[in-house]
Amino acid sequence: AQSVSQHNHHVILSEAASLELGCNYSYGGTVNLFWYVQYPGQHLQLLLKYFSGDPLVKGIKGFEAEFIKSKFSFNLRKPSVQWSDTAEYFCAVKGEYGNKLVFGAGTILRVKS
Amino acid sequence: DGGITQSPKYLFRKEGQNVTLSCEQNLNHDAMYWYRQDPGQGLRLIYYSQIVNDFQKGDIAEGYSVSREKKESFPLTVTSAQKNPTAFYLCASSRQGWGYQETQYFGPGTRLLVL
Repeated sequence: AQSVSQHNHHVILSEAASLELGCNYSYGGTVNLFWYVQYPGQHLQLLLKYFSGDPLVKGIKGFEAEFIKSKFSFNLRKPSVQWSDTAEYFCAVKGEYGNKLVFGAGTILRVKS
Repeated sequence: DGGITQSPKYLFRKEGQNVTLSCEQNLNHDAMYWYRQDPGQGLRLIYYSQIVNDFQKGDIAEGYSVSREKKESFPLTVTSAQKNPTAFYLCASSRQGWGYQETQYFGPGTRLLVL
């Protein structure tokens, strides 16, 4: 069965620090990969996604993620975080043969101003 | 204004009571989903429906039931058999359910609390 592992449950950073949130998945076939973000009191919304092609994908608000197939990883990065990036971030994976989207446990990011 | 709406925002359940959470979408999506979110556990799939009048159990369907009589609506009933119903419930939809390269979009959620 597919599973998704997010390495850190809580991350605290100061404004302007760089961010990298880890995501690893277990699935042997072709995958679709997603990062969703849940800002306090708001909908879960799509940050970025990878379907195929360039493994470095760019999303909203300056976020990017890199798909490394050999490492089964899809880490999320941002060069300089802002206080408004405080949120919970979820990595999710969907295999090519199936319609289930499997989520990681989430990483709560707090950015100190 | 297209999107997914869920109601109510907060719902209180008494012991032994069934409660129903509403989910409506006007995106003309075929597939709809219900997830449960608990702190530190991410989102877990309860039920999903790929097309009207059809639905399948997800990973944690026990104590829940759904119906899909209309394309735009996918209500979730939390029955008295669900012993730990306190959670945040999220509804989602996608253009197709079985298609590869589909993105799911989420509603604002309903928080269910047990009295």
